[in-house]
Amino acid sequence: EPEVTQTPSHQVTQMGQEVILRCVPISNHLYFYWYRQILGQKVEFLVSFYNNEISEKSEIFDDQFSVERPDGSNFTLKIRSTKLEDSAMYFCASSVRGQVWAGGINEQYFGPGTRLTVT
Amino acid sequence: EDKVVQSPLSLVVHEGDTVTLNCSYEVTNFRSLLWYKQEKKAPTFLFMLTSSGIEKKSGRLSSILDKKELFSILNITATQTGDSAIYLCAVIIQGAQKLVFGQGTRLTINP
Repeated sequence: EPEVTQTPSHQVTQMGQEVILRCVPISNHLYFYWYRQILGQKVEFLVSFYNNEISEKSEIFDDQFSVERPDGSNFTLKIRSTKLEDSAMYFCASSVRGQVWAGGINEQYFGPGTRLTVT
Repeated sequence: EDKVVQSPLSLVVHEGDTVTLNCSYEVTNFRSLLWYKQEKKAPTFLFMLTSSGIEKKSGRLSSILDKKELFSILNITATQTGDSAIYLCAVIIQGAQKLVFGQGTRLTINP
């Protein structure tokens, strides 16, 4: 069964460093998402991406964050200058179509996550 | 602010018991509610509910939505140790791409 993959599984970085988290969505999916989950807290939406542009973003997704689809398979989340509070599990997800479309709802498939630890 | 609240936050039962997990929501322009199971890492999809009163069933798991009272329940009968996980409830808002998650219920099934 096709699945979303993410690398690395765990990343440790120093405060102020740039990190890039990588995701390979399911191949026929067109919509991509990043979520994060700080330890012990809710899963929070960061950004959705379609047709090479951001379609929606949360207030968490400030200028320190950016997303990119550099080629036909990868989807990346970059944090320019990491802070301690960026430590979290970052989940990538993808769906065939947008979350809500004329034909119905598309479920999002989640990857296994990257645990980011900022020291 | 859109809000999804799950209860209980934690539940410990014995194998064979039946459990009911709750999810209530206060959101603008509700579209659908989803249940996910999170074991080690990735949340895996269980159910999507859009209409009130229609039970969705998959094996020992079932779920129903009440759009008047703004909640959903997830039932698991004859629980097994493999049901131990965090169960997440999430709501889709009309016109939005994001999922709004509750804080999850950590379910532990003891043998």
